[in-house]
Amino acid sequence: DTAVSQTPKYLVTQMGNDKSIKCEQNLGHDTMYWYKQDSKKFLKIMFSYNNKELIINETVPNRFSPKSPDKAHLNLHINSLELGDSAVYFCASSATRLAGVYEQYFGPGTRLTVT
Amino acid sequence: DAKTTQPPSMDCAEGRAANLPCNHSTISGNEYVYWYRQIHSQGPQYIIHGLKNNETNEMASLIITEDRKSSTLILPHATLRDTAVYYCIIPNDYKLSFGAGTTVTVRA
Repeated sequence: DTAVSQTPKYLVTQMGNDKSIKCEQNLGHDTMYWYKQDSKKFLKIMFSYNNKELIINETVPNRFSPKSPDKAHLNLHINSLELGDSAVYFCASSATRLAGVYEQYFGPGTRLTVT
Repeated sequence: DAKTTQPPSMDCAEGRAANLPCNHSTISGNEYVYWYRQIHSQGPQYIIHGLKNNETNEMASLIITEDRKSSTLILPHATLRDTAVYYCIIPNDYKLSFGAGTTVTVRA
């Protein structure tokens, strides 16, 4: 019973390609997030959706486009992949109640390698 | 955003308590202190959070000083599986901002 799942776990692709990473949560949460962890291991938020509405959009190239078809899913589509996009991408979810939004549950990560 | 300062690394003996300090001198009155950890190659894991009072759950205890300028995460009986990077975070605006954290190595 995986709470937050991501597919694929590993993704190797060439520069210029377009790829998607999928995320699903079965916790009944209404807020979902995408984080990027680069080679220096710093974890930074990219996007957040609450009830399918974008609420956080950090300074991320517009080649990255999140899509939330419903509350349980938040996918990340990346166009024209670049070498610098190589990183581990984590999906997370939380419930927006009091301080519960900061009690986030993370997926296992997707390791993206762009060659 | 309130910043946090943590030691970059610390070692702990298996079975002993691990005390992880965090300074957050600019924290404001309504900001919570959150702790997460990230075990190698896994996603971050929520541990505990607190506002003013000390908190305890099945994973750890959180001790917050009376002036709220610092806190200590206590792992009561560290195991090898507790080896991880531990993050002390003061979130706001719906964002968790992860710093460098403290790399904790539990040794047998």
